[in-house]
Amino acid sequence: DTAVSQTPKYLVTQMGNDKSIKCEQNLGHDTMYWYKQDSKKFLKIMFSYNNKELIINETVPNRFSPKSPDKAHLNLHINSLELGDSAVYFCASSQVGAGYGYTFGSGTRLTVV
Amino acid sequence: QQQVKQSPQSLIVQKGGISIINCAYENTAFDYFPWYQQFPGKGPALLIAIRPDVSEKKEGRFTISFNKSAKQFSLHIMDSQPGDSATYFCAASITTSGSRLTFGEGTQLTVNP
Repeated sequence: DTAVSQTPKYLVTQMGNDKSIKCEQNLGHDTMYWYKQDSKKFLKIMFSYNNKELIINETVPNRFSPKSPDKAHLNLHINSLELGDSAVYFCASSQVGAGYGYTFGSGTRLTVV
Repeated sequence: QQQVKQSPQSLIVQKGGISIINCAYENTAFDYFPWYQQFPGKGPALLIAIRPDVSEKKEGRFTISFNKSAKQFSLHIMDSQPGDSATYFCAASITTSGSRLTFGEGTQLTVNP
């Protein structure tokens, strides 16, 4: 069974479009995250939710809006896509305070043309 | 501000050699230091982690050395194999204030046969 699953794996879209990426975890973790990995492979946190509550909201354009319907799901909606949004987006989950690290999904490669 | 600095950016090692990747951190409140391994097209996966109350942790061919006074830690891969070729990330977090991970910039390791 996949622990953290993201869909879609690839997303190619035109500038100005709106798109969503979905994430689900079956590990029973209470915290979920969105990370962006740029072309240089740098991993930067975007958002974090703990039991459906937003706890980390980095300096991210407000075109990006996360939504957590329950603690097993964290979706990312992006409005008015720009060329600079092209990157790989990773969802991850962890159990806060356990120090067991994150479990990452396999990523969504977003290409804006 | 980059709180975790990683070097080198890339590393080429011959099969059977020792790979060494170094990281330095600034925030003395960090209390959990994991290393992640990422293969192309995959999400980062937890490899090994250490807490600052020990100076070394070994798991198979992978060893973390930790120097609290210097605020540095390193990953040693003994008997490096071509299958170890991947991108390695060090990270740090403060577990008492949530499990937010701050990542280093990554090291692209290539192990030649």
